Amino acid sequence: AQKVTQAQTEISVVEKEDVTLDCVYETRDTTYYLFWYKQPPSGELVFLIRRNSFDEQNEISGRYSWNFQKSTSSFNFTITASQVVDSAVYFCALSENSAGANNLFFGTGTRLTVIP
Amino acid sequence: NAGVTQTPKFRVLKTGQSMTLLCAQDMNHEYMYWYRQDPGMGLRLIHYSVGEGTTAKGEVPDGYNVSRLKKQNFLLGLESAAPSQTSVYFCASSYHEKLFFGSGTQLSVL
Repeated sequence: AQKVTQAQTEISVVEKEDVTLDCVYETRDTTYYLFWYKQPPSGELVFLIRRNSFDEQNEISGRYSWNFQKSTSSFNFTITASQVVDSAVYFCALSENSAGANNLFFGTGTRLTVIP
Repeated sequence: NAGVTQTPKFRVLKTGQSMTLLCAQDMNHEYMYWYRQDPGMGLRLIHYSVGEGTTAKGEVPDGYNVSRLKKQNFLLGLESAAPSQTSVYFCASSYHEKLFFGSGTQLSVL
């Protein structure tokens, strides 16, 4: 069975603060993929990152960074110097299927509010 | 480039009514999906398609039907709507698990 846990339902930070969104996953497979998606107030989900289980290198993209730790089954997402435009619901997801997303399981999401 | 387009954006139905949600993608993706999003439950897969003429059940398929007669279109049907089907519905297509989502359909069943 797969499971993705995003224990933080809602987070509020003041603009320019750093914030980390937690994601813990469960899987019995050795090959899997982890994702983060952003859902802004407009509603449409936007892909942020995909990471495969064999690549534990942390990734940085501008103000965004991701920390993948297999030892703790976590794939956390950090936003540095948060901005109001970062306000959104963020979903972590897990897939064991390399051919498509039909086996993609989403967490329940974390609503981030950045206060100006 | 339109990406994934869903119609309608909003719909209100009475219990027992039927309707079809339309999804179109212009990225030539083989895989397409229908999800529903409910508060506190994230996104759950209803049905998906791995190519023209093929469909398969996802996590929560009951009460829904789908068709993929053309590669670019994926239709979601509700034959007899129930209040439990009040939700936001998202269509998506994918390339190597990277999902491209439509803007969603807010459906209310009274």
